[in-house]
Formats: sequence, C-alpha cells, structure tokens
Amino acid sequence: AQKVTQAQTEISVVEKEDVTLDCVYETRDTTYYLFWYKQPPSGELVFLIRRNSFDEQNEISGRYSWNFQKSTSSFNFTITASQVVDSAVYFCALRPAGGSYIPTFGRGTSLIVHP
Amino acid sequence: KAGVTQTPRYLIKTRGQQVTLSCSPISGHRSVSWYQQTPGQGLQFLFEYFSETQRNKGNFPGRFSGRQFSNSRSEMNVSTLELGDSALYLCASSLVPGTGEGEQFFGPGTRLTVL
Repeated sequence: AQKVTQAQTEISVVEKEDVTLDCVYETRDTTYYLFWYKQPPSGELVFLIRRNSFDEQNEISGRYSWNFQKSTSSFNFTITASQVVDSAVYFCALRPAGGSYIPTFGRGTSLIVHP
Repeated sequence: KAGVTQTPRYLIKTRGQQVTLSCSPISGHRSVSWYQQTPGQGLQFLFEYFSETQRNKGNFPGRFSGRQFSNSRSEMNVSTLELGDSALYLCASSLVPGTGEGEQFFGPGTRLTVL
C-alpha cells in the first residue's frame, strides 16, 4: 500500500522568510512519480512539479526548489523569500508508474505567509 | 486556451437523492480523472477515463459512477446520496492517462452539500 505523509499541518511565516514543506512517502513500487500541487483558497489544484523515481536531481524553479532523496523516501519543497501570494495548501502526491496508476495524496500543509 | 470547466460549481442535495456532475477537459485532452476532497479523508482518487473507457477506479462504493463521451467530456454520478458525500469534487484533464508523463490540469471543482 502507498502512503504519503505531510507531518506539518500548518506553517506560519513572515514574508521573505524561507520555508520548507516536508513530504515522506512509502511505496513498494520500484518506479513511481512524485508530485507537488498548490491549492489556493479558490480551490483549484495547481500542478507544481512531477519527479520520476529514477531522477534524484534536485530542481529549482524561480523561488521554488525541490529536494528528492530516495534513500530517505522524502520529497521536500522549499520556497525561498516567501510572499503573501504563496499562502495556500500544498499537497504532495505519489503515483505508481505502472499497475493501477492510482495516486495517493498527503493530507496537505497549509502555508500562511504574513505581510 | 480554455481550462478545465466543471458544472455546476455549487450544489445542494438531500439524502437519498442522486446527483450528476459535469467536467469539460481542456481541448485536445483525452484523459479525465475525478477526485473527492473532504476535511476528514483528504484528497481521494475516484476514477479515470480515457477514450470513453474507465481505466482506473479508486476505493469507492458502486454508488459512485462515471462516464466519458466521445468529445472527452465526462460526468460523474452519485446515487442515493449520504451526508458523507458532501465534498469538493475535482476534475482533472491530461493529454495522456496515468499522469506519469502528462501533467494534470484541474478544474475549480463542484462543491456538493448533502443535507
């Protein structure tokens, strides 16, 4: 069975602070995909990144960066110099690359960025 | 390019009734997935359709069903509504199924309240 754990229920920071959202996963699959999504108050999930289990390179996109460590089954997400517009709920998800393809989501981390 | 549209955006029903939700994917996308989001269970995968065929189904009772039309539009139906069916129902579309290779684009969701 798959499991995605986002231990941080809510994080509150002041604008311009750096913040890291943790994601730990469990799976018996050897190939899988990991995702991060952002859900602003409007409710629409916004895709942020997809990472293949074979690719452990870290990725940076503007103020966003992701650290994938297969050895610790973690896929953490860092926002540098946070802004008020970053306030949202962030979800980490895992999906097998074969078989059922059914994704499993973490419970989400609510990020509140204060001005 | 228009995004994923879902209708209606809000719906109020009473226990025992049935409901049909609609999703129009991005033009050219042939895969549509449905998700249920509740405070108690979080984000859960319902089913995925590609070329009018259900490819995957999550762990939901048979009261939850769906279909996809030749123009890729999809509907999901919930019969004999229960209070616990109150949720935000999200639809996502992608070019290819499985989301392993294709990025998923989400609609704004349908907020269903069962009284």
